[in-house]
Formats: sequence, C-alpha cells, structure tokens
Amino acid sequence: DVKVTQSSRYLVKRTGEKVFLECVQDMDHENMFWYRQDPGLGLRLIYFSYDVKMKEKGDIPEGYSVSREKKERFSLILESASTNQTSMYLCASSPTGITGANVLTFGAGSRLTVL
Amino acid sequence: SQQGEEDPQALSIQEGENATMNCSYKTSINNLQWYRQNSGRGLVHLILIRSNEREKHSGRLRVTLDTSKKSSSLLITASRAADTASYFCATDATGGNTDKLIFGTGTRLQVFP
Repeated sequence: DVKVTQSSRYLVKRTGEKVFLECVQDMDHENMFWYRQDPGLGLRLIYFSYDVKMKEKGDIPEGYSVSREKKERFSLILESASTNQTSMYLCASSPTGITGANVLTFGAGSRLTVL
Repeated sequence: SQQGEEDPQALSIQEGENATMNCSYKTSINNLQWYRQNSGRGLVHLILIRSNEREKHSGRLRVTLDTSKKSSSLLITASRAADTASYFCATDATGGNTDKLIFGTGTRLQVFP
C-alpha cells in the first residue's frame, strides 16, 4: 500500500525552538509538497519540490525552509518557532506523469503547537 | 491565494439523503479535483475532472464542471454516516505536470444516522 509518512503526529515546542517535520514517501514520486491547514483558511502551500535538491516557494514560505536531499524525503524546518506557526502541517507527494494531472497523496498530518 | 471557494461551509443531512457541495474558482484550469478529509487526518483524493469534461461519476459520487461559470459541484448520493468529513476542491491554475494545486476552504459534511 503506497504511503506518505509524517514522522510526528503531535508535537509541542517552545517559542524560538528549531523544529523539524519529516516526510517520507515510498512511491518514487518526483514532487513533494508541504501545506499548512488552519480553520477557515483551508490548505495553504508553504514549499514544494519537483526534484532532489530543488525547492520552490509556495504562497506562505516566510518563517520556513525545506530540505530535499533524497528523493523520498522532504523536510520542513521552522528555524525559530513562533506561536503563529501553531497549525496542522500536511505533506503530500505526486508523480510527474504524462497525463497532465497532479494528483496528491497526503500523509496523516502533523499537529504542531508552539507555546 | 485562494483559488477555490466551497459552498456551503457546512452541511448537515440525514443518512440516505443526497449531499451537494459547490466550488467556484477564479482562473482558467486544466483540471479540478475533489478531496476528502476525515477529522484530524490527511486528505484523500476522490475524483478528478478535466476542463474538457462536463460530468464524471465514481460510485456514489457525481462531479460536474462548468468552465464558463468557473464552478464545479460534488454530489454524494444516498449518503451514509461514514461520509461525514470535510470536502475540498483543488485546482491547478497554470497547468502542467508539476504545478501546485490550490485548495479551497472546504465544506464540512455531517451525516446523521
């Protein structure tokens, strides 16, 4: 069964801490994405990557960075966590296909609370 | 930037009834997708409709697309309590295999047994 695995379901961190959210996919997908989800705002794209060591900013990249050293792993980094980064973080991946459709497979999500 | 806006924000129905959710978007698209999210979990892809299609079916799901009105609807027929979830539309605004999807704010569906 194909999977996107997010390393932590729940995290509690303190303001100023460095936070790593890890995501691994076993489907050999080229594209990987990080979204955050907040009530009333839906899903907002933070960063995405379409190849190893490649990254593109999404709509809300401020305060975040990403790393993609291997094809299967896409990490989201909060250099100095702040309370407004308390949110649900969703990782997703998709293949680069010939159909022109970008269908995402999501992980279960990581709920981060910053105190 | 929000590309898709779902309507209604919340919907409550009885088991056996049909549920209709609508999505409006702003720019030209290649395709539109619907996803489902159970509470506190990730999203699951339900169905994709291309810009040159007007209607698509998958089991109890029926999706329509009106590109002239920039809108889509998702119909769930004969709903079940297990259909309780949030439903999101997603569009690719610029086309291409690797373009990002932009999601709407979702419709929360509650199906009472």
